[in-house]
Order: sequence, then C-alpha cells, then structure tokens
Amino acid sequence: KQEVTQIPAALSVPEGENLVLNCSFTDSAIYNLQWFRQDPGKGLTSLLLIQSSQREQTSGRLNASLDKSSGRSTLYIAASQPGDSATYLCAVRPGDSNYQLIWGAGTKLIIKP
Amino acid sequence: ETGVTQSPTHLIKTRGQQVTLRCSSQSGHNTVSWYQQALGQGPQFIFQYYREEENGRGNFPPRFSGLQFPNYSSELNVNALELDDSALYLCASSFGPEYTEAFFGQGTRLTVV
Repeated sequence: KQEVTQIPAALSVPEGENLVLNCSFTDSAIYNLQWFRQDPGKGLTSLLLIQSSQREQTSGRLNASLDKSSGRSTLYIAASQPGDSATYLCAVRPGDSNYQLIWGAGTKLIIKP
Repeated sequence: ETGVTQSPTHLIKTRGQQVTLRCSSQSGHNTVSWYQQALGQGPQFIFQYYREEENGRGNFPPRFSGLQFPNYSSELNVNALELDDSALYLCASSFGPEYTEAFFGQGTRLTVV
C-alpha cells in the first residue's frame, strides 16, 4: 500500500532564504507526482507536476525533483517571500490505482518578514 | 477558461441528514474526483467519475455516492451524516482519469452538528 510522508510538518524561516521541502513515498511504481499549495481553509493550487519519466520541473522560483528509485521528491523554493506562507502538499498517482492521488499530510511553511 | 467551482462554500447539517455538494469541472475536462480532507490531514480519495461512470472508489461507505452529468459537472451525496463527516470536501477535474494534472476547486466546508 502506497504511503506518502512529508517532513518536516512545519517550518519557519526568515524572508529571503532558500528552502527545501521533502516528500517520500513507499512504492516507486508511480505515474506522476504533484506538488500543491493550500492556504488556510482554502482549496488546493497545483504548483508542479512531474511525470515518472522526468527528473525535475521548474516554475519561477520553484523547482521540484523526483527520484523514483529512492522514493523521494523535493520542492525547492528560492528567495522565499512572506506570500509563500502556506501548507505545501505532495501527492503521488500510484501505478496500481492511477485514478487516485495518495497524499502526504503537508508541510506548514511560515516565512517571517 | 473557467476553473473548477464548488458549491456551496460552507454548509452546516445535523447528524442523520443528507447533503449534496456540487462541482463544475474546468472547461475541456471530462474527469472529476472527490476528496475528503479532515483538519490537519492530507485529502483522502472518495471516488472518481469519468464520462459519467464511476471509475474508482476509495475506502468510503456506500452512503457516499456520486453522479456525473453529460456536461461533466458532478455531485457528491452523503446520506445519514455522522459527526466524523465534518471536513473540507474537494473536487478535482482533469482531462482523462490518469496521468494528467489535477486542478482543484476551493472546496466545501461541511460541519455536522
């Protein structure tokens, strides 16, 4: 059974720092992995989608990497800003039930001005 | 291009009642998935509809049911509400049931009292 873990659960850093959020999954047989952002009490905003054949994706100050063999993905945020404060979730689409996403519990990020 | 919209945004129901939540998929998308997110946790997959047929189901009891209409909008129905059904209900749309990027609505916050 696929399980997704995100560490740390919470992170607080000063504005301007570069930071890395981690996501690990137990079964390397995935179709893709998606990173999302969630503001308090709100829905989910898709940030990056990495297909299983890809190693990384970039969008602006965000870069996500995928290492299927080790069951890991990282989301790198460059030059963090207070507006980046949110909960970041990763989700994998498993190979044996590709109609669903399996989610981590998220990392709550606070960027201090 | 319109995004995914959900209605209502907030809802309070009494235990034992029935509720219907609605989702309009993003233009051009033919697949809708529903997720339940309890406070502080990642979303849990309820079911997916593809071209008006249920295409996959998570570990939810039969009192959770759904529909997809010819215009690909969808409903989630929950009968015999329980206190533990209190959660944020998220709808995601995509083009096709697998591989592709999922886009989410803002969610419906259901409170059962």
